[in-house]
Amino acid sequence: DVQLVESGGGLVQPGGSLRLSCAASGFHFQNARMNWVRQAPGKGLEWVGRIKAETDGATTDYAAPVRGRFLITRDDSKQTVYLQMNSLKTEDTATYFCVKNEFWPNYPEYFDYWGQGAPVTVSS
Amino acid sequence: QSILTQPPSVSGAPGQRVTISCTGSSSNIGADFDVHWYQHLPGSAPRLLIYGNIFRPSGVSERFSGSRSGASASLAITGLQSGDEADYYCHSYDNLLTAPVFGGGTRLTVL
Repeated sequence: DVQLVESGGGLVQPGGSLRLSCAASGFHFQNARMNWVRQAPGKGLEWVGRIKAETDGATTDYAAPVRGRFLITRDDSKQTVYLQMNSLKTEDTATYFCVKNEFWPNYPEYFDYWGQGAPVTVSS
Repeated sequence: QSILTQPPSVSGAPGQRVTISCTGSSSNIGADFDVHWYQHLPGSAPRLLIYGNIFRPSGVSERFSGSRSGASASLAITGLQSGDEADYYCHSYDNLLTAPVFGGGTRLTVL
């Protein structure tokens, strides 16, 4: 069975940093494109960013609100993807989901497996 | 304000049929990008319901179906059950934002 388990969430002050981890199992992680999607309290889903496979150069893309502040990396030896969040703002408060996407011939590729989410609160 | 517009809520009695709309524009659904749908019970992981506008992953009930026309898409749920109470999100791509986008979500209540 596919499992995505996030960790590292918590409370951080504005301007601070936090790193989320997502441990994956049950699929060929090395070939997978991995995403982060967030949900602010009482709000809908928002795509945060994506990292491609190493064979695709581990290329990353980010949503405009987080570009330049967030960094997605992966360690295929540990089957883990990371979300490094810097210069955090109160509006970054959300539950962050680790999401695997499946290849699809048209944009966007769909998200076939999601983790349970890691809560992040940015507050003084 | 989400790029894709969904009704905030829909409701129906057990056994009835409901539809959830997802309205976009010429920069997303209208530009021939596909639409996918997810079911989310708060506190749990979202679940893929429909991909590529009309396809159901294995394990998803035939009671769920999707369609797309022009700049809009719809999710239909037939034979409503109490277990269908959840939030539903559409997902597509916007070529002005050059990013995947979600609808604002629709809360389904089974009366």
